[in-house]
Amino acid sequence: QVHLVQSGADVKKPGASVKVSCKASGHTSPAFGISWVRQAPGQGLEWMGWIGTYSDKINFAQKFQGRLTMTIDTSTTTAYMELRSLRSDDTAVYYCARGRAVAERYTMDVWGQGTTVSVSS
Amino acid sequence: DIQLTQSPSSLSASVGDRVTITCRASHSINVFLNWYQQKPGEAPALLIYSSSSLSSGVPPRFSGSGSGTGFTLTISSLQPEDFATYYCQQTFSTPTFGPGTRVDI
Repeated sequence: QVHLVQSGADVKKPGASVKVSCKASGHTSPAFGISWVRQAPGQGLEWMGWIGTYSDKINFAQKFQGRLTMTIDTSTTTAYMELRSLRSDDTAVYYCARGRAVAERYTMDVWGQGTTVSVSS
Repeated sequence: DIQLTQSPSSLSASVGDRVTITCRASHSINVFLNWYQQKPGEAPALLIYSSSSLSSGVPPRFSGSGSGTGFTLTISSLQPEDFATYYCQQTFSTPTFGPGTRVDI
C-alpha cells in the first residue's frame, strides 16, 4: 500500500516562495503521477496541477501558470511543489495525491496528510 | 473551465437516513465524475470514481450515478462515521471540484 508523507508546516512572508515535499513509500506504482490540491481555511478543494512520474507530462490550472513548479525525484520517490510570489490568499493546506491509474491520472486515491502554509507579513 | 455546482450546500440528517447529494456540470462530462469525502482535519478520501464505481474499501451503502451533466451520490443508510463534507470532481477536462456538501446531524 502506498503512503504519501508531506513536509511540515511553513510560514512565509508575502512575495516569498514555498516548497512542499511529498514522499511516497510502500508499494509505489510509477505510472500514476502526482496532483497537488489546496484548501484555504474553511473553503473547498482547489486542484492546482499534475505531474507525471517521470516529469514528462505536466498540467496546470490556468491560475497557477507562471507561479507553480512541480518536480519529481524518482531516485527518492519524492514529489515537490514550489509556489512563488506568495500572497496572503495562498494561505492554505496543500495536499499531494496520487493518480488512481494511468488513464485516470486526475482521480486521486491516495492522499498525503497535508501541509499548512501560512502567508503573513 | 467546467463549473460544478452541488446541492444542497448542507443538510442535516439522522443515522439510518437515506441521503442524496446532487452535482451538476456546466458542460457534458460523460462519466468523468468522482466523489470524495472529507472529515474535519483530515485529507479527502476517494469514494466513487467514473460516476458509479466504488473505490476500494468503501462500504456499499455509498453509490453514485449519472452521466452528462447530472450526477448523484447516495448514502443508503447514514452511519455516524458518514458525517462529513462531500465534494464532486470532474476529470473530463482540467480538473475542478464542486463547492462541497456538508452532512451533519
